[in-house]
Amino acid sequence: GAVVSQHPSRVICKSGTSVKIECRSLDFQATTMFWYRQFPKKSLMLMATSNEGSKATYEQGVEKDKFLINHASLTLSTLTVTSAHPEDSSFYICSVRLVGTYVRNEQFFGPGTRLTVL
Amino acid sequence: AQSVTQLDSHVSVSEGTPVLLRCNYSSSYSPSLFWYVQHPNKGLQLLLKYTSAATLVKGINGFEAEFKKSETSFHLTKPSAHMSDAAEYFCVVSENAGGTSYGKLTFGQGTILTVHP
Repeated sequence: GAVVSQHPSRVICKSGTSVKIECRSLDFQATTMFWYRQFPKKSLMLMATSNEGSKATYEQGVEKDKFLINHASLTLSTLTVTSAHPEDSSFYICSVRLVGTYVRNEQFFGPGTRLTVL
Repeated sequence: AQSVTQLDSHVSVSEGTPVLLRCNYSSSYSPSLFWYVQHPNKGLQLLLKYTSAATLVKGINGFEAEFKKSETSFHLTKPSAHMSDAAEYFCVVSENAGGTSYGKLTFGQGTILTVHP
């Protein structure tokens, strides 16, 4: 399977600051990456689909000006939480998707980034 | 549209006894189905996947699941639980054709598995 890394693994910031989270596909090129958010003791919710070289596609209810996504290369997507507030505190997880008849939409997940906004 | 329902939010078993985690799905198109496991403060690990081949799917760590189209179910089982199986488990559906949800994963609410000595 694919190896996906995220950086940082944990970040604490003050309210009003911006935080950038990186997602890297280490062993293959990914034209599509996904960003999920997981609240404590909750399931994962898809935030947006990150497409290399084009604008991200956001799910309903996700503020695109709040959560900026950039997928400038085939191995890197970034999520920037702008003007973070305590309610943005969450576990953010990225994934990459392999395309092909055998793997059929399987996604490989990064280890996640724990964001705490004070 | 696609959705998935995990019927139990918590399951508790004794070490050495069987595990059953239940999952029902809904999909307008031919689905792929997955089970992922998440240990506390960790990322997701794929246990097994169904992608329209054999309906009985074997995964890692002794887990298996059976795709039953007539029942729209994809229950996860293991014959004998181990302490290290304690974690949260997610059933996931993805549609393979058409629709706005094509290729996207929809997660169930999760089932926390507790294993007692």
